[in-house]
Amino acid sequence: DTEVTQTPKHLVMGMTNKKSLKCEQHMGHRAMYWYKQKAKKPPELMFVYSYEKLSINESVPSRFSPECPNSSLLNLHLHALQPEDSALYLCASSQDASGGAGGEQFFGPGTRLTVL
Amino acid sequence: QKEVEQNSGPLSVPEGAIASLNCTYSDRVSQSFFWYRQYSGKSPELIMSIYSNGDKEDGRFTAQLNKASQYVSLLIRDSQPSDSATYLCAVMGWNTGFQKLVFGTGTRLLVSP
Repeated sequence: DTEVTQTPKHLVMGMTNKKSLKCEQHMGHRAMYWYKQKAKKPPELMFVYSYEKLSINESVPSRFSPECPNSSLLNLHLHALQPEDSALYLCASSQDASGGAGGEQFFGPGTRLTVL
Repeated sequence: QKEVEQNSGPLSVPEGAIASLNCTYSDRVSQSFFWYRQYSGKSPELIMSIYSNGDKEDGRFTAQLNKASQYVSLLIRDSQPSDSATYLCAVMGWNTGFQKLVFGTGTRLLVSP
């Protein structure tokens, strides 16, 4: 199984809602990532978990809260988002967070988030 | 200077031609380089990775790396309309002890039948 899955595929939420995005991989990877991608822009790194510990937080606003319950699961909790947070949210995983072949990142299909 | 630079395109080639996509990067210590293909509305798909100078071939795709010139390229032979997509160059850089993937802005490729 070489797939990263994400749910939901689409999400529409108001600015006062609380929602969560979920990501799962069964490749035995030990590094997982959240990216945000706006239209016609490259993915922007938000968070990196390595061996279930938060390794990189790219100065993301606190209205985004990541969680890694175990090595296969990654969540992104959303609260009090702004319309400018509307984007494609991508989860990725890699064998580890080092360089070389171990660092090859595989992306899930993404969650298209719209904040009203 | 941007960390990873690509021509945004679009690069238009006829079906059956060779498409050549280029990328330059600024961090001299980078060791890992990747090409991702992204169709409109979809997520990036890893198509090639390269770690040492020279060429690496996989089917119709060839990645080329020149670390001295800080240059990576992707050649697509016998281009097909289904190759029409945005191609993202990504370079692994360091971020306080952890490796971080830095993407270029992507080159849009259009292959006409």
